[in-house]
Amino acid sequence: SQTIHQWPATLVQPVGSPLSLECTVEGTSNPNLYWYRQAAGRGLQLLFYSVGIGQISSEVPQNLSASRPQDRQFILSSKKLLLSDSGFYLCAWSFRVGKETQYFGPGTRLLVL
Amino acid sequence: GESVGLHLPTLSVQEGDNSIINCAYSNSASDYFIWYKQESGKGPQFIIDIRSNMDKRQGQRVTVLLNKTVKHLSLQIAATQPGDSAVYFCAENSGGSNYKLTFGKGTLLTVNP
Repeated sequence: SQTIHQWPATLVQPVGSPLSLECTVEGTSNPNLYWYRQAAGRGLQLLFYSVGIGQISSEVPQNLSASRPQDRQFILSSKKLLLSDSGFYLCAWSFRVGKETQYFGPGTRLLVL
Repeated sequence: GESVGLHLPTLSVQEGDNSIINCAYSNSASDYFIWYKQESGKGPQFIIDIRSNMDKRQGQRVTVLLNKTVKHLSLQIAATQPGDSAVYFCAENSGGSNYKLTFGKGTLLTVNP
């Protein structure tokens, strides 16, 4: 079976500091990978998605970037965090073909102070 | 733009009652729909899905109904339990090769003992 991991679970960072959130998937190959942000009491905002190693599509202009150095690894980064970057960050994966269901990780709670 | 929305932001039911959570969508090209459950502080969990060539699908204690005529989707939970308390999201896929989903804002279901 497939599993998805995210770390850290929670993070408190000062404004202007860098960020690196990691997501890994086990039990499948060539997945589509996604990064979402969820503000408190709000829906899911798609930030980035990737259909393969080194292939990143950005959905919204922002202070964040994403990378996919390995097939089942997806990283969300920032050089300088803003207060508005606070939120709940979710990584998800889906099969490359045949099924559109996205399966989510446990999330990372980020608080920028 | 086209979007997925929810009729009710909150729903409170008594334990043992049946719950119905509604969702309206506006993209007539959407051909796949998913319901997710998100407990506080956790990532969304897949509950059930349905394709546009079906109008009903049943799972364990859950049923999804799709009415393409009025672009309406509902999730029925039988014999609601306290553990069902969560935010429920509908999501739609309007096709394409990248399998991006459009999420609704969510409905908070509270089950009273």
